[in-house]
Amino acid sequence: DGGITQSPKYLFRKEGQNVTLSCEQNLNHDAMYWYRQDPGQGLRLIYYSQIVNDFQKGDIAEGYSVSREKKESFPLTVTSAQKNPTAFYLCASSGDRGRTDEKLFFGSGTQLSVL
Amino acid sequence: GENVEQHPSTLSVQEGDSAVIKCTYSDSASNYFPWYKQELGKGPQLIIDIRSNVGEKKDQRIAVTLNKTAKHFSLHITETQPEDSAVYFCAATYYGNNRLAFGKGNQVVVIP
Repeated sequence: DGGITQSPKYLFRKEGQNVTLSCEQNLNHDAMYWYRQDPGQGLRLIYYSQIVNDFQKGDIAEGYSVSREKKESFPLTVTSAQKNPTAFYLCASSGDRGRTDEKLFFGSGTQLSVL
Repeated sequence: GENVEQHPSTLSVQEGDSAVIKCTYSDSASNYFPWYKQELGKGPQLIIDIRSNVGEKKDQRIAVTLNKTAKHFSLHITETQPEDSAVYFCAATYYGNNRLAFGKGNQVVVIP
């Protein structure tokens, strides 16, 4: 089945630790996105990538980093600089380069918690 | 930038009744308005969308209406069923904008 796979489903971070969330898609989509979801809040854009080896900051990029070395993969690293990392993280993709006016396909999310 | 607001934040309906969720947007340039449904522990899924060249779109029990003058759009769910219980997000953007602005979501609870 085509889709987006996020792993792990649950992740725990210790103080001062960097953690990496995985996102893989087999939809052959150009654009990929990372969103953060907090309870009762909408989806806030962290980073997005329209093409391999290129990515742009979203609205809340501080404390996060990404890479896009392959079309299929867009991992997100939550660094120790992110002081409030507890949230539900969602990866998404869309077919056209950065076109936001078309369907987004979401993964099933990763819940990150701080120990 | 675009600001999208959703009302009400929580909506409880009896099974079989209709549910209506309204969103307002601020940027008159926005011309694409999707609705996403998120079930517990899962990622959102697109359920319906509308572009500004039409005023209404239907897909079985769900419909979306758009009022460009008032800058609001609404999701209508008829004959609600327990599986309609979820969080619904509206969003707005336009071609060439690199942001899809989401509302904060509405929790819909269908009471059997």
